[in-house]
Amino acid sequence: EAGVAQSPRYKIIEKRQSVAFWCNPISGHATLYWYQQILGQGPKLLIQFQNNGVVDDSQLPKDRFSAERLKGVDSTLKIQPAKLEDSAVYLCASTFSRTVNTEAFFGQGTRLTVV
Amino acid sequence: DAKTTQPNSMESNEEEPVHLPCNHSTISGTDYIHWYRQLPSQGPEYVIHGLTSNVNNRMASLAIAEDRKSSTLILHRATLRDAAVYYCILSRRGSTLGRLYFGRGTQLTVWP
Repeated sequence: EAGVAQSPRYKIIEKRQSVAFWCNPISGHATLYWYQQILGQGPKLLIQFQNNGVVDDSQLPKDRFSAERLKGVDSTLKIQPAKLEDSAVYLCASTFSRTVNTEAFFGQGTRLTVV
Repeated sequence: DAKTTQPNSMESNEEEPVHLPCNHSTISGTDYIHWYRQLPSQGPEYVIHGLTSNVNNRMASLAIAEDRKSSTLILHRATLRDAAVYYCILSRRGSTLGRLYFGRGTQLTVWP
């Protein structure tokens, strides 16, 4: 079974530039999550989709971050403009359902460095 | 969601059992206990989860205290590949999985 695919694996940009990350979840998984993981900390949820609708974006800095999942499959996360504190690993995860009694599958993540 | 307390780090020798503790004194009756682990440069990986009874799978066992205020993840024979950060997480039945609060976890070092 193919896992959660993310690209790129690494990205270095200057502050105030824009960047986009792509995620392809496991086939058939309706729920998709984007997490931010700062070095030395656990992952923190940014946004959760159920099919192509947003379920939870309460922790997404909406002034600079945006995300979409237009056809209920792939998703993109964008940062514009980037700040130094956005340097982190951005993880995408998917689950078959949105309930807690289920297993989440994570991608390898995209490591973003803002200089 | 209720928070958990884990040791920052633990060490083990290869092929020995490892018991990773987790305290969750404010757990409610509908909170599931999840364990994920994160290998270096990888995303988190599901290990096991349970509600009240002890659970076993091919990766590990989860022992839940009778009062549910603590639990222990048991790796029966540690291998070098088990070196990772282990996260103990609570999630409430009816809430969404995205609200899992990972914390800092326990860094497990396995010596050959």
